Amino acid sequence: AQSVTQPDIHITVSEGASLELRCNYSYGATPYLFWYVQSPGQGLQLLLKYFSGDTLVQGIKGFEAEFKRSQSSFNLRKPSVHWSDAAEYFCAVGTTSGTYKYIFGTGTRLKVLA
Amino acid sequence: NAGVTQTPKFRVLKTGQSMTLLCAQDMNHEYMYWYRQDPGMGLRLIHYSVGEGTTAKGEVPDGYNVSRLKKQNFLLGLESAAPSQTSVYFCASSQRTGVSPLHFGNGTRLTVT
Repeated sequence: AQSVTQPDIHITVSEGASLELRCNYSYGATPYLFWYVQSPGQGLQLLLKYFSGDTLVQGIKGFEAEFKRSQSSFNLRKPSVHWSDAAEYFCAVGTTSGTYKYIFGTGTRLKVLA
Repeated sequence: NAGVTQTPKFRVLKTGQSMTLLCAQDMNHEYMYWYRQDPGMGLRLIHYSVGEGTTAKGEVPDGYNVSRLKKQNFLLGLESAAPSQTSVYFCASSQRTGVSPLHFGNGTRLTVT
């Protein structure tokens, strides 16, 4: 079955530190991969997406993610976290088969210490 | 550039009451979706639409109905609200399904007492 796993429910980092949020997926074909960010009281905003080509993709707000087919992973990274990055982050897989075309992870809540 | 607009933002219902949530998008997207978000459960698809006049069931459709009479609007109805429907509801749209990113509204927080 298709699935997305975000192993870390909560992550706390200090401002200025680097960040890596993990995402693992299970999908038979080449997936379409997305990272979204949700600030409190807001909807989800697209950070970046991967469809094909270069496995390192750049997104908004200084985020990047790397697709690793061998590990079925699509981890999100940022070299230096800002206090405004505190939010919840969702990884998602888009599929061209099956009934439900988007499968979301359960999210990782990021806390940033000043 | 409004994107996806949801109304209302907050609503409190008593058990058994009915209500309709409205979603409007101005991007001319064919595909629209209703999700609910509950703590620790991520986003779960309630219903979706692949075009004007069409609707289909998602992962958790029971207790909800939808309509897509106009391409830009997607309505979610609760005929007889239950406390289990207390949640945050998000509408989203996409140009294509599965391969295009979703565009989300800001959500409706519904409490059923």
